[in-house]
Amino acid sequence: DQQVKQNSPSLSVQEGRISILNCDYTNSMFDYFLWYKKYPAEGPTFLISISSIKDKNEDGRFTVFLNKSAKHLSLHIVPSQPGDSAVYFCAASPINTGTASKLTFGTGTRLQVTL
Amino acid sequence: DSGVTQTPKHLITATGQRVTLRCSPRSGDLSVYWYQQSLDQGLQFLIQYYNGEERAKGNILERFSAQQFPDLHSELNLSSLELGDSALYFCASSSRRDRGLDTGELFFGEGSRLTVL
Repeated sequence: DQQVKQNSPSLSVQEGRISILNCDYTNSMFDYFLWYKKYPAEGPTFLISISSIKDKNEDGRFTVFLNKSAKHLSLHIVPSQPGDSAVYFCAASPINTGTASKLTFGTGTRLQVTL
Repeated sequence: DSGVTQTPKHLITATGQRVTLRCSPRSGDLSVYWYQQSLDQGLQFLIQYYNGEERAKGNILERFSAQQFPDLHSELNLSSLELGDSALYFCASSSRRDRGLDTGELFFGEGSRLTVL
């Protein structure tokens, strides 16, 4: 039972354009969402997060949008740069459990930013 | 560099064998988490330790066990290995230093790639 779904295994975007990575979840108890980025031969690194009390959170070129009614979130990268080429994992947690051990990860989307 | 160190980086072994994966968390982090990533799967939470005590358990098989030592490093022991145990095993530590809210902003090591032949 995949509670966090990233239905696009890969995405290719031209440098300078917008990258949009999507994530859907099924568990209505999830109320905190995170994106992690992973380069080859490295561990995932935290990128950006959003609480369910917000519908948008922005950090530089990265913006995460949350649509609670649709149980959908997306990560926008504008403008995309070649260094953004990586695998992006969406993760969700019922934050009131107070522990990151409840994080559920998606299967990841591989983003390739081309010149 | 996340500050989380995992050894070994690669390990090849045979079915039925036992291996130990080691993790040193970031300086000052008390929580250690172990995750498994199999081919084309998301990261699956295995187990969490906080300051030497088991805090939470996920989908960890009975053949697997872990512990956290007084110096806060952790070991994940995998025994009676099967082909399906081949995966990347990640250790992560948390920046939260107390039992308070832990939002999931974890710091991951580079992982240990286990291949069971």
